Amino acid sequence: EPEVTQTPSHQVTQMGQEVILRCVPISNHLYFYWYRQILGQKVEFLVSFYNNEISEKSEIFDDQFSVERPDGSNFTLKIRSTKLEDSAMYFCASSEDREPTDTQYFGPGTRLTVL
Amino acid sequence: AQKITQTQPGMFVQEKEAVTLDCTYDTSDQSYGLFWYKQPSSGEMIFLIYQGSYDEQNATEGRYSLNFQKARKSANLVISASQLGDSAMYFCAMRADLNTGFQKLVFGTGTRLLVSP
Repeated sequence: EPEVTQTPSHQVTQMGQEVILRCVPISNHLYFYWYRQILGQKVEFLVSFYNNEISEKSEIFDDQFSVERPDGSNFTLKIRSTKLEDSAMYFCASSEDREPTDTQYFGPGTRLTVL
Repeated sequence: AQKITQTQPGMFVQEKEAVTLDCTYDTSDQSYGLFWYKQPSSGEMIFLIYQGSYDEQNATEGRYSLNFQKARKSANLVISASQLGDSAMYFCAMRADLNTGFQKLVFGTGTRLLVSP
């Protein structure tokens, strides 16, 4: 069964460093998303992406964040200068369509620890 | 705006018994989807079951069923014949808001289910 994959599974970085989180969405999906989950809290939407453009972003997704689809398979989230409060689990998700009835499938997550 | 409320921070159930995890939602949209995800201690988010706002029948997927009561805006997850492997965090989520963006998922705070032998 096709699945969303994410690398690395765990990333430790120093405050102020740049990190890139990588995702490979399900191959026939066209809509991509990033969510984050701070430890013990609920999952929060960051950004959605379609046709090489951001389609929606949350207040969390400020100028420190960017997303890119550098090739036909990868989808990346970059944090330019990490802060302590960026420590969280970051989930990539993809869906075939944009309808409310369409399921978003999640990757296993990347746990980001900022020291 | 959409909102999901899960009022049970934790639930306990004995193996082989059924358990209901509550979820209420709030939206002014007519078309929306309701989803349940399971998050085991390993951290991944596993899709379990989906209910569309126009679906007349309650969704079922194996041991999972969704008790959808539209008038009450509730979408409770029922797990029948609980297994030890069902111990996890369970999140209810909604996708709506056709007029803006691409229908992000809005999550509740989750319910931690513990299944005892």
